[in-house]
Amino acid sequence: EAGVAQSPRYKIIEKRQSVAFWCNPISGHATLYWYQQILGQGPKLLIQFQNNGVVDDSQLPKDRFSAERLKGVDSTLKIQPAKLEDSAVYLCASSFRKQETQYFGPGTRLLVL
Amino acid sequence: AQSVTQLGSHVSVSEGALVLLRCNYSSSVPPYLFWYVQYPNQGLQLLLKYTSAATLVKGINGFEAEFKKSETSFHLTKPSAHMSDAAEYFCAVSDSGGTSYGKLTFGQGTILTVHP
Repeated sequence: EAGVAQSPRYKIIEKRQSVAFWCNPISGHATLYWYQQILGQGPKLLIQFQNNGVVDDSQLPKDRFSAERLKGVDSTLKIQPAKLEDSAVYLCASSFRKQETQYFGPGTRLLVL
Repeated sequence: AQSVTQLGSHVSVSEGALVLLRCNYSSSVPPYLFWYVQYPNQGLQLLLKYTSAATLVKGINGFEAEFKKSETSFHLTKPSAHMSDAAEYFCAVSDSGGTSYGKLTFGQGTILTVHP
C-alpha cells in the first residue's frame, strides 16, 4: 500500500513570495490533515478535511494561508505572502475515518529567507 | 482544552539500558493517547495508541506504554535500547468525542540518543 505522498520535499523562498505544497493521501482515506512543525516543537494542526469539506481550520492563519482538497483526494496548501516565521516542516496526514490512525507523509521543509 | 507535556526535551541512554520517555496530558473528556516516532527527514510513524481498552499498550519495536488516569500520564518504555531507537518521540492526545473528535494535540517532543 502506497503511503502519503508530498511534494516538493524542500523549498527555499524569499519573504513575501508565495509557495504551494501538494499532498496525495492514501487511497480511500476520507480524512486529510495539514500540520505545521516548527523546529523544536511538535506538529500543530492547521486544517482538517473530511472528503472535500473543511472540518477544522481554527488554527490556519487565513490572511496568508489557504488550502483546498479537490474531489476529496489530493490537497494543496498555499502561503501567500510568506513570512520568516513560516519556516517549518509542513506535514500532511490522512486517515480512513476521523478517529482512525493518522498516517503521515515525509513532509515539505520550507525555509523563508 | 487538551494539552500534552513531555518531560525532558533530550534523553540519553546506553545501548541495552531501559528507555523511559515521560508524557503527561490534560483533557476534559476521556482521552485517546498516542506515541509517534520521527526519524530525521521523515514523517511521523505510529508506535502505539491507547483507546480505552487495556491500560498497558504494546507497540512496535518493543515499546509499550501504560495509561494511568490518576496520574494523567502515558509514559513510553522499552526494556533494552537499541542504536536504531535514536529518534524524536512525540506524545499526542485526542478527544474520544465532542467537537474535537479526531484532532491530535502533540507534545513538544523528546529526542532520544542511544550511545554504545
